[in-house]
Formats: sequence, C-alpha cells, structure tokens
Amino acid sequence: DTEVTQTPKHLVMGMTNKKSLKCEQHMGHRAMYWYKQKAKKPPELMFVYSYEKLSINESVPSRFSPECPNSSLLNLHLHALQPEDSALYLCASSQAGEDTQYFGPGTRLTVL
Amino acid sequence: SQKIEQNSEALNIQEGKTATLTCNYTNYSPAYLQWYRQDPGRGPVFLLLIRENEKEKRKERLKVTFDTTLKQSLFHITASQPADSATYLCALDRISNDYKLSFGAGTTVTVRA
Repeated sequence: DTEVTQTPKHLVMGMTNKKSLKCEQHMGHRAMYWYKQKAKKPPELMFVYSYEKLSINESVPSRFSPECPNSSLLNLHLHALQPEDSALYLCASSQAGEDTQYFGPGTRLTVL
Repeated sequence: SQKIEQNSEALNIQEGKTATLTCNYTNYSPAYLQWYRQDPGRGPVFLLLIRENEKEKRKERLKVTFDTTLKQSLFHITASQPADSATYLCALDRISNDYKLSFGAGTTVTVRA
C-alpha cells in the first residue's frame, strides 16, 4: 500500500465549530506532516511528527491542534477558525531520514 | 533570505515538444532537490530527486539537471502529451535531516493537442 488517505475530502465549518481532519498511511513511514495550501501558492509546512512525537511546529496558531495517536494516523483538530483559514490541507508521510514525501489528496476546508 | 524561484508561472506548449522548467534558489545549500507534480485540487506527487553530487537524472520522458554553482535546476518533459498538463513544483530541503521541505510557487504547464 503506497497511499496516504485523508478524510473528509471537503469540509465546510462555521467559526464556532470544532472539527477534525484525519490522515492515514500504511507504508510504515515514521514521519508525518501537515501542510496548508492556498490557491496558486506552494504548500506551507505546519507540523511535523517524527516517531509519533511533534518535532516541528511552524508557529501555527493554537486553533490548529495536531495529534498523532499511532504511527499510521495523524489528526488535525480545528477550533474557532477564521475565514482566512480556508485552504487545501495536505497530509504527507516519509520514511524517517528519507527525503521523499508522499502526499494525500487533501481536504478542501471552507470556513464561513 | 532564502528564496526559491520558478521562473515561469505558466508554460503553454504544443504536444510533442519539450517543456523546460527552471528552478533557481538563493541562500540555500541543499543536499538535494526534488520535483513534484500537482493536479488541481490534489496533493503533490513525487517525480524525481537529484542530489548535489549528481548532474543529471532521468525517468522515462523526464530529465532533471542540477547545477549547484548556478544554483539552478532544469526540468524537462520530452515528447510532451496533454496528460502532462499540471503544475510542477520544485522543492529543497531547508536544513539537512530535519524533514523540512520548502516548495517553489510552481509552473503550470498546459500541453495543447
């Protein structure tokens, strides 16, 4: 299995809602990532987990809260988001110490 | 400051021709450079990785060169097909061994039949 899956594909939420994005991989990768991508812009790194521990937080606002329950799963908990947080949220994984990242299809998030 | 520039935002070419994309960088000393393809509304897909001690790499109709003196990589799609239409992103490691990749803004290639 060489696939990273993300659910849901689309999410519309209000500014007072709490929701979660989910990501799963079964490639045995020990590094997992969350990126945010706005239209016509490159992906921007948000968080990196290495061996289920948060190793990088790119100064992301606390309304985004990552969680890595096990080596195959990565969640992104969302609370009190702003309309400017609307974007494509991408999950990726890689072998620890390897350079190539494998991306999921993304979740298209719209905050009203 | 560190910068990655992909010189063309958009490239339109005729089917069968070679598309050449450019990635220039400043204030990086990358150990490697990668190219990804991204289709609209989808995640990037890895295409090729070239290391600092490699001059050229090929995969089917794709060819990448890496000139660390010029701080530039060229990405070629030979015998282009309409199915090659997509956005192509170059990516560099920011600091070795800490899993960080920085992406260029991408070049959107459109291949006309």
